[in-house]
This record gives sequence, C-alpha cells and structure tokens, in this order.
Amino acid sequence: EDQVTQSPEALRLQEGESSSLNCSYTVSGLRGLFWYRQDPGKGPEFLFTLYSAGEEKEKERLKATLTKKESFLHITAPKPEDSATYLCAVQGSGNTGKLIFGQGTTLQVKP
Amino acid sequence: SAVISQKPSRDICQRGTSLTIQCQVDSQVTMMFWYRQQPGQSLTLIATANQGSEATYESGFVIDKFPISRPNLTFSTLTVSNMSPEDSSIYLCSVEDGRGFADTQYFGPGTRLTVL
Repeated sequence: EDQVTQSPEALRLQEGESSSLNCSYTVSGLRGLFWYRQDPGKGPEFLFTLYSAGEEKEKERLKATLTKKESFLHITAPKPEDSATYLCAVQGSGNTGKLIFGQGTTLQVKP
Repeated sequence: SAVISQKPSRDICQRGTSLTIQCQVDSQVTMMFWYRQQPGQSLTLIATANQGSEATYESGFVIDKFPISRPNLTFSTLTVSNMSPEDSSIYLCSVEDGRGFADTQYFGPGTRLTVL
C-alpha cells in the first residue's frame, strides 16, 4: 500500500534559522513526488514536482530533493511569510492521477 | 497553471440535507479530482471525474453519498448527500496540467462545509 509520512508534525523556527522538512514514502513505482504549501482556509498551492532520485528543484528560499525513499524540503533563512503547512504527496504507477498525501508539517517562523 | 474557482466558499447546513459544490476551470482539462480534508487531517481522494464517463470512486466513498457530474471539460459538481456532522470538512477540486509523465495537480480554494 502506498504511504507517505512527514516529519516533524510541527516546526518552530526563528527568522533566518534554516531547517529541513522530511517526507518518507513507500510507493509501487514512483511516477512523481509533489510538494504543496497550504495556508489556513485555502487550497494547497503547488511548489515542486520531482520525478527521479537525485533530482533537485529550487524556488526562492525553498529547495526540494529526492532519494529512493524520501524527499527533503530545505528552507534557507526563512521569513515569517513562510509560515504555513507543507504537504508532500506521491503518485504511484498503479494509480493514475491519484495523489497520496502525508499529514503535513506546520511551520511557524517567528520574527 | 489553470485557474480554479469553487462555489460556495463555505456553508453551514443542517443534517439530512444535501449540498452541491461547483468547480469551474478557466481552461479545458481531461481529469478533475475531488478531495476531502477533514479537520486537522490531510487530503483524501474521493473520486476522479472524467468528461463523458462515470466518476471513479475510491474505497470508502460511494456514488449515492457523493454523486458527481462532469458535463463538460471545464466544469464539475460534487454533491454531499444526506449530510451528517461527520461530513464537516473542506472539499477541494483539482485538475491535472496534462503536460508531464506524472501530471502536477492544481487545487481550487476549497469549500468549507459545516454540518450541524
């Protein structure tokens, strides 16, 4: 059964304090791994798609990496506006279109 | 990416009633999806809606409870029938961008449903 586990559940950082969020996954034939950001009361906002181990993608202060078992979302010098819940999802080869989501990591960045 | 809107944005309903949620996309898309996000939880896929065919439901979700329509390539509706307080959730539609091997899904703003 495809499964996604994110850690930690919650993370508090001071502004400028870099850290990483983890997404461990089990899937039958990875088609893609997706990172989303969700603000309270809103729908998930797409951040990155990763397709194969070794792939990396960057956007502003965020960098996503992928191995055969996990993905990391690195946040460099975060700002208070980076506070949100970050969701990881996978799509397996046997589930066209279906995304399996993790529980998310809620990030709070204090000024 | 596609621009997705949902109506209503939120509603408060009485148990035993039904609510239809609309999802409108600004471009034609083949696959649309409906997800549920229960309070404090992550997203769970309810069903996949393709134009011109019956919706495909995930385990634990049935057509009588969550009927779906997909009349064209830009629009879909999800009805939550005979509601109970356990149906209180955020309901989200999403679409695939159709350009990749594993197509990225973009989400609407969600419909926050409270059932009393």
